[in-house]
Amino acid sequence: NAGVMQNPRHLVRRRGQEARLRCSPMKGHSHVYWYRQLPEEGLKFMVYLQKENIIDESGMPKERFSAEFPKEGPSILRIQQVVRGDSAAYFCASSPPASGSKDEQFFGPGTRLTVL
Amino acid sequence: GQQLNQSPQSMFIQEGEDVSMNCTSSSIFNTWLWYKQEPGEGPVLLIALYKAGELTSNGRLTAQFGITRKDSFLNISASIPSDVGIYFCAGRPYSSASKIIFGSGTRLSIRP
Repeated sequence: NAGVMQNPRHLVRRRGQEARLRCSPMKGHSHVYWYRQLPEEGLKFMVYLQKENIIDESGMPKERFSAEFPKEGPSILRIQQVVRGDSAAYFCASSPPASGSKDEQFFGPGTRLTVL
Repeated sequence: GQQLNQSPQSMFIQEGEDVSMNCTSSSIFNTWLWYKQEPGEGPVLLIALYKAGELTSNGRLTAQFGITRKDSFLNISASIPSDVGIYFCAGRPYSSASKIIFGSGTRLSIRP
């Protein structure tokens, strides 16, 4: 049973370019979360999605950032017109649909974004 | 916004010693989670707690959900070199249906 998969593991972009980060949840998981982590800091919640629905995007910056989790395929975190301050590790997590354990989030290895 | 205060920020201990770290919040939490993160990797879930007063063990790790629902601790007994890493507490506030808040982490280093 494969864990949460993220790609690419490392992504380098120049200022103004677009970054697309992909996340495939664990098999059977229908909830996906995205977090951002700066060096020496904890994880900051960005967005929570279920298939074809954004449930909570209270942690997403208002501009340039968007996320989707289509019916088929991975979840995508998209950052348009990247700036140096977007450089960080972006982690995806998934959790099972059962209400009793839905808070148990399992993390992928992360995508490390570097903006030059 | 809601914050978790995690302490200590870092620990440098002797192999074989017991370790204790904790998290506190000013508001009530419904869930407490403890994760370990190693360099270049994502956090790995160690223990999940869902009920006030709950005490749960995972090998040499023990965690408790505080009675007031505003705190949790993690103990590691007889530390070994592979325990090195950053330990994060996390929790779901009572007021949130979904959002998990993370502490700032405790960096554990061990002298062999």
